[in-house]
This record gives sequence, C-alpha cells and structure tokens, in this order.
Amino acid sequence: NAGVMQNPRHLVRRRGQEARLRCSPMKGHSHVYWYRQLPEEGLKFMVYLQKENIIDESGMPKERFSAEFPKEGPSILRIQQVVRGDSAAYFCASSPSTGNLRNEQFFGPGTRLTVL
Amino acid sequence: AQSVSQHNHHVILSEAASLELGCNYSYGGTVNLFWYVQYPGQHLQLLLKYFSGDPLVKGIKGFEAEFIKSKFSFNLRKPSVQWSDTAEYFCAVNDAGTYKYIFGTGTRLKVLA
Repeated sequence: NAGVMQNPRHLVRRRGQEARLRCSPMKGHSHVYWYRQLPEEGLKFMVYLQKENIIDESGMPKERFSAEFPKEGPSILRIQQVVRGDSAAYFCASSPSTGNLRNEQFFGPGTRLTVL
Repeated sequence: AQSVSQHNHHVILSEAASLELGCNYSYGGTVNLFWYVQYPGQHLQLLLKYFSGDPLVKGIKGFEAEFIKSKFSFNLRKPSVQWSDTAEYFCAVNDAGTYKYIFGTGTRLKVLA
C-alpha cells in the first residue's frame, strides 16, 4: 500500500517562474492537506481539499498561490511568479475522512522548493 | 488560537543519555497529540500518537510520551538515545474532530557517538 506520493522531491526555479507541486494521496483517501515548512520553522497549514472542492484555504497566501484536487489525478499546488521567500519544504498529507475524533493525517516526503 | 510550544530548539546528547523533549499546547478542548520525526533529508514519520485512554503512549524505536492534561503537556522521552536518533522532532496538536494540525517549531536533536 503506497503512502502519500509527492513529486518532484526537489524543485529549483528562478524568480518569476511558476512552480507546480504534485501530491497523490494514499489509496482510499479523499482528503488532502498542504503544509509549508519555512526554514527554522514548524509546518504551517495552507489548504484543505476534497475532490474538486477547496474546503479551507485560510493558510494560503492571498496572491500567487492556488491549489486544486481534480476528480482524476493528483492534487496540485501552484505558485506563480515565485519569489525567494517561497523557498521552503511543501508537505502534503491525506486522510480517509475528517470530522471524526481520530482524524489522522499521513504525510508525504515533501517537495523542497528553492528559488534562485 | 491554538499554539504548540517546543521550548528546546537544539539538544545535544551523548549516546546512552536519556532524552526528554518538552511540548506544551494551548487549547482547552479535546485534542489529539502527535510526535513526528524528520531524519535528515527524509519525510516526516509518525513516532507516536495519543487520542484517548492511557496517557502514557509508547511509540516506535523506544520512544514514549506522556499526556498530562492538567499541564497541557505531551513530552517525548527515550531512556537511552542512539546516534541514529539524530533528527528533528515535531510535536503536533489537532483539535479532535477537526482537520488542522498545529505544529511546534521543532527540536533538533544531535546525538554524539
């Protein structure tokens, strides 16, 4: 049973380019979460998605960042016109359900984005 | 708002020393508690978790943690560390019934051989 898959593992972009990060949840999981880990900080929640729906994007920067989880295929976190401050590790997590008392999320290996 | 504090940012120990990493959270309701480890260059791995029941939780690799509700704490312990325990450790809290995990800033542990 494959875990949460993320690709690429490492991504280098120049300022102004676009970054696309992909996340395939565990089999049977329909809930996806994205977190960002800035250097020397803990993970911070960005967005929660279910298939074709954004449930909570309260942690997403207002500009340049977007996320989707289409009916088919992986979830995508997209960062347009990247800046140096976007350099971070981006983690995806998935869960089979939410709203119950024992919500457990399973994390992927992360994508390390470096903006030159 | 919920927050998680890990007071030790960097810890250096010799092999066979005992380890205790502090974790305090601020939230008065029912919570789920987690400790994750991140080895250099690797992804987050779950060490242990607490949902309910026995407040002393045993995890993988000889780690354990104790939930003390009155102190809002969930400290991680290991009686005898090994060089391979060198990693970053994150405490996380989840308001039971919701989906957001709140992470601490992490503790970098270095174990000297």
